[in-house]
Amino acid sequence: AQTVTQSQPEMSVQEAETVTLSCTYDTSESDYYLFWYKQPPSRQMILVIRQEAYKQQNATENRFSVNFQKAAKSFSLKISDSQLGDAAMYFCAYRAYGNKLVFGAGTILRVKS
Amino acid sequence: KAGVTQTPRYLIKTRGQQVTLSCSPISGHRSVSWYQQTPGQGLQFLFEYFSETQRNKGNFPGRFSGRQFSNSRSEMNVSTLELGDSALYLCASSLGRRGETQYFGPGTRLLVL
Repeated sequence: AQTVTQSQPEMSVQEAETVTLSCTYDTSESDYYLFWYKQPPSRQMILVIRQEAYKQQNATENRFSVNFQKAAKSFSLKISDSQLGDAAMYFCAYRAYGNKLVFGAGTILRVKS
Repeated sequence: KAGVTQTPRYLIKTRGQQVTLSCSPISGHRSVSWYQQTPGQGLQFLFEYFSETQRNKGNFPGRFSGRQFSNSRSEMNVSTLELGDSALYLCASSLGRRGETQYFGPGTRLLVL
């Protein structure tokens, strides 16, 4: 069974600085998709970034980028120039066949001003 | 385009009752997936509907069921409610093709007393 592990229950970052959230996953599949979602206090899940496993290039969306290491089954999220609005719970998610997302336990990100 | 909508947003029920939650996907999306989020178990996949057919199912008891209508709107039903069914229920829609990003609604918070 596929599993997703987020080893950092909570992280803090100073405004304008950079933070990296870790995620590892376990799968025997070769073709899959990885996502980072953000869940602010409103509880609305918002897509942050997506990565296709067959692409070697790391995905980037403005201040958000990933470090995808397929052999190591690692998918970390880097947030640059952190802003107060980045404070939220961040979930790493894996998707293979079918439309089922498998989520990690989440990392609470706190941004200090 | 309007986002995914879920009704009702909040619900209080008592043990033994049943409840129906509704989800309207983004226009043009044919796949609707349901997830349960609890502090103890995190985010867990319930089921996915595509073109009115259940395409994928998670490990939940038969008390949890769903359906999808011809306009892609989906309903989820929980019968004989238990205290442990208290959770945030999220639905997500996508075009339905493999690997497509799922977009989430704001959720329905269910409290079972």
